[in-house]
Amino acid sequence: DAKTTQPTSMDCAEGRAANLPCNHSTISGNEYVYWYRQIHSQGPQYIIHGLKNNETNEMASLIITEDRKSSTLILPHATLRDTAVYYCIVRARSNDYKLSFGAGTTVTVRA
Amino acid sequence: NAGVTQTPKFRILKIGQSMTLQCAQDMNHNYMYWYRQDPGMGLKLIYYSVGAGITDKGEVPNGYNVSRSTTEDFPLRLELAAPSQTSVYFCASSYSGRGLNTEAFFGQGTRLTVV
Repeated sequence: DAKTTQPTSMDCAEGRAANLPCNHSTISGNEYVYWYRQIHSQGPQYIIHGLKNNETNEMASLIITEDRKSSTLILPHATLRDTAVYYCIVRARSNDYKLSFGAGTTVTVRA
Repeated sequence: NAGVTQTPKFRILKIGQSMTLQCAQDMNHNYMYWYRQDPGMGLKLIYYSVGAGITDKGEVPNGYNVSRSTTEDFPLRLELAAPSQTSVYFCASSYSGRGLNTEAFFGQGTRLTVV
């Protein structure tokens, strides 16, 4: 699976959009970009995933660059409850067992 | 629909003791996983299973054993507890097959301290 690089931490103001970058320059054609988050030592929670098109769901939007070497997770209106560690993971969908987590980005939403 | 249920939530073990961490899922998922998370670190895969009767090692299997006799249950066994096994343990499940791949669903974790 391709390795990902994320900033260690970032702050965001409540009510503003939070843009979380992720670099995955060695991604291969059959690998998807997944985002999970972990709130205060709870079990990780799935947010969104995509292959090459931009994706949106009720939680967030995922923007993937045309060359697929980087992506951005967007939380459109951050709330205090969005404070969490966010993990960007790249993997082929057939390799479920290789869901490997790095250190992630610690996002702090401030009032 | 309870999702992934882990028991116990907390446990303190003495060095050399053994215990089993229980994990059950009610979503008919074929894949199940055990991860550990040390303070301030990401999750590391211990063992995984792609179906009943099939298990395999992940990144950090030493000191642990698993079994998968049913689709629903995936217990993790610690035979001789060591301080290095102090961690938070997460169980997860997902479904893969028939052209469908779901995301992984995680339990709430078991916090284990070995003293």
